[in-house]
Amino acid sequence: GAGVSQSPRYKVAKRGQDVALRCDPISGHVSLFWYQQALGQGPEFLTYFQNEAQLDKSGLPSDRFFAERPEGSVSTLKIQRTQQEDSAVYLCASGSGYNSPLHFGNGTRLTVT
Amino acid sequence: TQLLEQSPQFLSIQEGENLTVYCNSSSVFSSLQWYRQEPGEGPVLLVTVVTGGEVKKLKRLTFQFGDARKDSSLHITAAQPGDTGLYLCAGARNNAGNMLTFGGGTRLMVKP
Repeated sequence: GAGVSQSPRYKVAKRGQDVALRCDPISGHVSLFWYQQALGQGPEFLTYFQNEAQLDKSGLPSDRFFAERPEGSVSTLKIQRTQQEDSAVYLCASGSGYNSPLHFGNGTRLTVT
Repeated sequence: TQLLEQSPQFLSIQEGENLTVYCNSSSVFSSLQWYRQEPGEGPVLLVTVVTGGEVKKLKRLTFQFGDARKDSSLHITAAQPGDTGLYLCAGARNNAGNMLTFGGGTRLMVKP
């Protein structure tokens, strides 16, 4: 596709359920980022991949959050035992390399009830 | 916790007015980016400024990077309803320019 694609667009989960959010980056982009954007706030960094290697996961809020990119393209962000404070828009962005601009997807809006 | 403070948080103006949005930090960034985000969409890059004191113009938008590379401003001349959106600044923490720390955003509404 022409841009970064995220699915699902909307996800409603009951507290305690596990969820998996998918990101399809732009083809050939080596870097991939996940951000969390709470309502009315700016995006906050979660984790960063260069190809299949997860180089920085310092932004993941707890060990309930896990991200992977096993073949260096599609990435999945998994949240186990969801809590209400996990409700947010989860944004994925990809870039082609050094000093290249990031392209953001339209995000997945997660609502935990 | 936002290391970049944006002001104002909200701004509602009439079409044709000028406005300035500020982005301030106590940290030095290798570069600073401005994005615009519309509801239900991801942020879209408007500009990247790299050099202290740099000024970039994009039609009616003027972006300035502070001399010390800690702050930036976005000035819009003769605002139009199409400028409505959330404006985000983001500072890059690495030389590759992709490890970004975002500000909290300025929500702009331009009324016709």
